[in-house]
Amino acid sequence: EAGVVQSPRYKIIEKKQPVAFWCNPISGHNTLYWYRQNLGQGPELLIRYENEEAVDDSQLPKDRFSAERLKGVDSTLKIQPAELGDSAVYLCASSLPGDTEAFFGQGTRLTVV
Amino acid sequence: QQQVKQSPQSLIVQKGGISIINCAYENTAFDYFPWYQQFPGKGPALLIAIRPDVSEKKEGRFTISFNKSAKQFSLHIMDSQPGDSATYFCAATTVNTGTASKLTFGTGTRLQVTL
Repeated sequence: EAGVVQSPRYKIIEKKQPVAFWCNPISGHNTLYWYRQNLGQGPELLIRYENEEAVDDSQLPKDRFSAERLKGVDSTLKIQPAELGDSAVYLCASSLPGDTEAFFGQGTRLTVV
Repeated sequence: QQQVKQSPQSLIVQKGGISIINCAYENTAFDYFPWYQQFPGKGPALLIAIRPDVSEKKEGRFTISFNKSAKQFSLHIMDSQPGDSATYFCAATTVNTGTASKLTFGTGTRLQVTL
């Protein structure tokens, strides 16, 4: 069974440019998370979806970040415009309904120059 | 506000030794405490987890000790092996009926097991 798939693995962009990350969760996992992991730190939740609904986006910087999960499967996280401080690894995770274990993808390493 | 504090930041242990990583939390609503292992270039993977109704959980060489009154929990890796070299994160969350809430992670401990 395939795990959580993220793309791209790496992205380098200039500041003020837009960028998008894509996530395909494990089949059947209704809950999807986007986390941001700064260098030397633990992951921090940006947004959590239950099916198509964003149930927790309190930590998402909504002035420049947006996310969507159409049809309750794949999800896209977008940053526009990117800032130098957005450089981090963006992790997607998914879990079964009612399950406490979240499975993480390999992440997308974003470098803003 | 950091709700889960983790120490040490880094740890070097000889092969066969015991690795101990400690975490403390503030939010008494937390009721599920997992440990994640992360290798370079990979996402975190669940290693072992505990709920506050028990004081210890053991899975193979990995043991979680939990002290509810002190709001502390720790990971012990017995007979540490070079393959255990990774970054370890403690985490905490509240488990609501039907789904898990967000994970609050510690800052991570970089473990190196030497030969």
